[in-house]
Amino acid sequence: EVQLVESGGGLVQPGRSLRLSCSTSGFTFTDHAMSWVRQAPGKGLEWVGFIRSKAYGGTTEYAASVRGRFTLSRDDSQSVAYLQMNSLRTEDTAVYYCTRDRLKRSCGGSKCYSSDYWGQGTLVTVSS
Amino acid sequence: QSVLTQPPSVSGAPGQRVTISCTGSSSNIGAGYDVHWYQQLPGTAPKLLIYDNTNRPSGVPDRFSGSQSGTSASLAITGLQAEDEADYYCQSYDSSLSGSRVFGGGTKLTVL
Repeated sequence: EVQLVESGGGLVQPGRSLRLSCSTSGFTFTDHAMSWVRQAPGKGLEWVGFIRSKAYGGTTEYAASVRGRFTLSRDDSQSVAYLQMNSLRTEDTAVYYCTRDRLKRSCGGSKCYSSDYWGQGTLVTVSS
Repeated sequence: QSVLTQPPSVSGAPGQRVTISCTGSSSNIGAGYDVHWYQQLPGTAPKLLIYDNTNRPSGVPDRFSGSQSGTSASLAITGLQAEDEADYYCQSYDSSLSGSRVFGGGTKLTVL
């Protein structure tokens, strides 16, 4: 059974940093890109960014709203994905979901991914 | 304002058919990029419902179907059931946003 478990959320002051972790099991972690999606209270979903598998370079892409402040990484030996969030703002307050990415066959590039499994989410509250 | 536009709400009686639209533009759906649909039951994480415009993951009932045409996509639900009451989101890729994935604003489905 595929499982994704986020941790590391909490209350943090504006301008500070926080690191979220996504521990996974039930699938071959090295075969998959991993994404983060967030949902502000009472709002819709917002894609944050993703990190490709090592087979595709392990490179990252980010939404414009977090580029330069957030960093994705992965530890393939532990099957864990990370989201490092710096210079946090009040508008970053949200539930952060970790997702496993599915790569469409015979398709190349960033357009080819969808999120086929989701964690339960962890709440990040940015407030003074 | 979301890049992909969905109606805020739709409703239907049990057994009926409802559709949820997702309208984009020439830089996303209209460019031929795939549309995916997610279902978020109250208080839970989203779940993949339809991928690559028309495909259902294992375990998703065939009451759910997706289609795409031009700059729009649609999710159809037939034989509506009480447990279908949820928020539904479409998602695609947008080439004008430095390679971002984009979501619709979400549609709340109410089963009357």
